[in-house]
Amino acid sequence: DVKVTQSSRYLVKRTGEKVFLECVQDMDHENMFWYRQDPGLGLRLIYFSYDVKMKEKGDIPEGYSVSREKKERFSLILESASTNQTSMYLCASSPRTGGSYNSPLHFGNGTRLTVT
Amino acid sequence: EDQVTQSPEALRLQEGESSSLNCSYTVSGLRGLFWYRQDPGKGPEFLFTLYSAGEEKEKERLKATLTKKESFLHITAPKPEDSATYLCAVPGFQKLVFGTGTRLLVSP
Repeated sequence: DVKVTQSSRYLVKRTGEKVFLECVQDMDHENMFWYRQDPGLGLRLIYFSYDVKMKEKGDIPEGYSVSREKKERFSLILESASTNQTSMYLCASSPRTGGSYNSPLHFGNGTRLTVT
Repeated sequence: EDQVTQSPEALRLQEGESSSLNCSYTVSGLRGLFWYRQDPGKGPEFLFTLYSAGEEKEKERLKATLTKKESFLHITAPKPEDSATYLCAVPGFQKLVFGTGTRLLVSP
């Protein structure tokens, strides 16, 4: 079974702090993704990466950055946390099939971040 | 623009009462449709992939079907443990496009 592990289930941070969310997958997948999920808004893509040291902006990248130094690890960074970044953050991975993105994603169990 | 719409937003069923969830999509060139189940406080769990109109997939009490414009998730004789949010998604340009889900509650 594919396993995507997020380092924290719950996190509470103060406004202005720098926050690191870590994600590791064990299936040698090329693609990795960071989403946030909010009631009524569904899943929104923040950043994704299709290879080591590569990154692409998703739909809502403002206020976030990412790092992918190793194939299995994808980190999401909140440079200066704000209260509107309180959310559930979900990491996912998928294999690259023919260079496209038509493989199902495998998700971690999420990090519930509260910024006060 | 690629779009996925799920209906209803929420559905309450009695145990054993069969029903269907709908996922309508607008995408340039369908390259698959995925169904997920999400329990509260957890990440979505992959259920099915459908690739072409007419295809069907089954898992326990769930059956997913696909037409050229929509997919249905049929739930036959549901049990309380089927209560969850069900999400569908289609591949768009460089990413999956998700619907906002249907919250299913099955009462004993």
